[in-house]
Amino acid sequence: DSGVTQTPKHLITATGQRVTLRCSPRSGDLSVYWYQQSLDQGLQFLIQYYNGEERAKGNILERFSAQQFPDLHSELNLSSLELGDSALYFCASSVGFSGGGNTQYFGPGTRLTVL
Amino acid sequence: QQQVKQSPQSLIVQKGGISIINCAYENTAFDYFPWYQQFPGKGPALLIAIRPDVSEKKEGRFTISFNKSAKQFSLHIMDSQPGDSATYFCAAKASNYQLIWGAGTKLIIKP
Repeated sequence: DSGVTQTPKHLITATGQRVTLRCSPRSGDLSVYWYQQSLDQGLQFLIQYYNGEERAKGNILERFSAQQFPDLHSELNLSSLELGDSALYFCASSVGFSGGGNTQYFGPGTRLTVL
Repeated sequence: QQQVKQSPQSLIVQKGGISIINCAYENTAFDYFPWYQQFPGKGPALLIAIRPDVSEKKEGRFTISFNKSAKQFSLHIMDSQPGDSATYFCAAKASNYQLIWGAGTKLIIKP
């Protein structure tokens, strides 16, 4: 158990809908990262927050947004969902914003299915 | 310049054999190289990592070999076991502190 929690574990929705994925980082970790992993694909970095502030952006679509709250939990919002958004969404956390030298601890993921 | 190229995409090794996964990079500013292991349905987890000031790091059956001049690093799994079957990702830390990920290698150990 990495100490990172993600809810829900599974999510099934329809095209055009909006969903919110939630992540609670490990106790003491200030950085939260979001990744997308499509079937048998690699990890696509979406976005990183550090202590409530956006730190880095990756290949995040404009239909997607995220935020990190004062209690350090984070939410990833996906809107106008398309079939191609079906994927595993992982949250990871680390102590600092460096990402390296500071291990990223991954949550169990949220499996999103868009029908 | 910000890419990490990982090969092979998939690998089948007999139990007891040596599994070798390779990664190459271009950016000489990368200064930390972790390997992550991911089992099906789980999130990746750090397996082993190396900094470029050493050429090799060993933890149990897992070894990273690092060739700074060639800008390559590799993961060796000795005495590979069926429980090692997983997807392995290499990564590199960029100057902006982000991890640049390889595409992953799906490893299958045949009993």
